[in-house]
Amino acid sequence: GAGVSQSPRYKVAKRGQDVALRCDPISGHVSLFWYQQALGQGPEFLTYFQNEAQLDKSGLPSDRFFAERPEGSVSTLKIQRTQQEDSAVYLCASSLVSPGRWNTGELFFGEGSRLTVL
Amino acid sequence: EDQVTQSPEALRLQEGESSSLNCSYTVSGLRGLFWYRQDPGKGPEFLFTLYSAGEEKEKERLKATLTKKESFLHITAPKPEDSATYLCAVACANRDDKIIFGKGTRLHILP
Repeated sequence: GAGVSQSPRYKVAKRGQDVALRCDPISGHVSLFWYQQALGQGPEFLTYFQNEAQLDKSGLPSDRFFAERPEGSVSTLKIQRTQQEDSAVYLCASSLVSPGRWNTGELFFGEGSRLTVL
Repeated sequence: EDQVTQSPEALRLQEGESSSLNCSYTVSGLRGLFWYRQDPGKGPEFLFTLYSAGEEKEKERLKATLTKKESFLHITAPKPEDSATYLCAVACANRDDKIIFGKGTRLHILP
């Protein structure tokens, strides 16, 4: 497709359930980022990939959060044993430029997956 | 600690009333400062990149400027369709160019 696609757009989970959020980046984009955005806040960095390599996962809040990008394209963010504080919009973004290189800052974002944990 | 602070948190303007949004930053090794626009229920949309103090970029009614400590997003004669949240972000060399966002300014233009 023309843009970054995320699914599901909305997810309601009971506390303790596992969830998986999918991101399909723009074809050919090397870098892929996950951000968490709470209501009224700016996006908070979670992790990023260069192709299939996860170069930084320092923003993942706990070991319940896990991200993968096995073939360097589609990525999945998995949250195990969800808690109410995990409720947020999870944004995926992709970029043609690799982090560490000349960074234009032009990230292409999807519309996000809104997770509500009851 | 690297920080990006935006002010004001929210701003209401009449159509045609020009104003500026502020983004102040304290980072080591700034590699770039970016402005994004975010509409409700959407992901952020890239507007500008600024690399060095004194640089300016323009797009329609928006102009972004950069100094050594802050950036301004000037909005000239805004229209209701300019209503959105404007996010400032930075990439820092000592953080492997990860892009760190501020909390944003919610701008509402009244017709």
